[in-house]
Amino acid sequence: DQQVKQNSPSLSVQEGRISILNCDYTNSMFDYFLWYKKYPAEGPTFLISISSIKDKNEDGRFTVFLNKSAKHLSLHIVPSQPGDSAVYFCAARIGTSGSRLTFGEGTQLTVNP
Amino acid sequence: DAGITQSPRHKVTETGTPVTLRCHQTENHRYMYWYRQDPGHGLRLIHYSYGVKDTDKGEVSDGYSVSRSKTEDFLLTLESATSSQTSVYFCAISEWDKNIQYFGAGTRLSVL
Repeated sequence: DQQVKQNSPSLSVQEGRISILNCDYTNSMFDYFLWYKKYPAEGPTFLISISSIKDKNEDGRFTVFLNKSAKHLSLHIVPSQPGDSAVYFCAARIGTSGSRLTFGEGTQLTVNP
Repeated sequence: DAGITQSPRHKVTETGTPVTLRCHQTENHRYMYWYRQDPGHGLRLIHYSYGVKDTDKGEVSDGYSVSRSKTEDFLLTLESATSSQTSVYFCAISEWDKNIQYFGAGTRLSVL
């Protein structure tokens, strides 16, 4: 039972354009969401997060949007750069179970020069 | 890598042999985690620890055991490795349960 799903295994965009990565979840108890980025042969690194009391959070070129009614979140990268090419994982957490993260399958983003 | 060292980085072993993976941290964080990453599944939590000698199961704990005798070390043991345990294993740490988790570089394990 995949509670967090990233339906697009891969995404290819041109440098300078917007990258939009999507994530859907089924458990309405999730109240905190995170995005991690992973380069080959490295561990995932934290990118940005959002609490369920917000619908948007920005950090530089990265913005995460949360639509609770649709149980959907998205990560926008503007403008995309070749160094953004990586696998992006979304993750979700239930507040009462603090430390347990549920991850999606990941989306491979390729930014072409 | 936030002061996290995983060893070994690569291991090839045979079915039925015991395997121990080590995670060492220099951050003095209370929480430590073991995940496995497999195609089509993302990262899945195996076990985690919330203090010395305090551990709990994750969603895919069958076939794995853990131990934490010191704050800085968290060991993952496969008592009798199976081919289905071929995977990339990541250790993570966090200062408290709701803090961001920071990951090590991973251990690639192949069970033949």
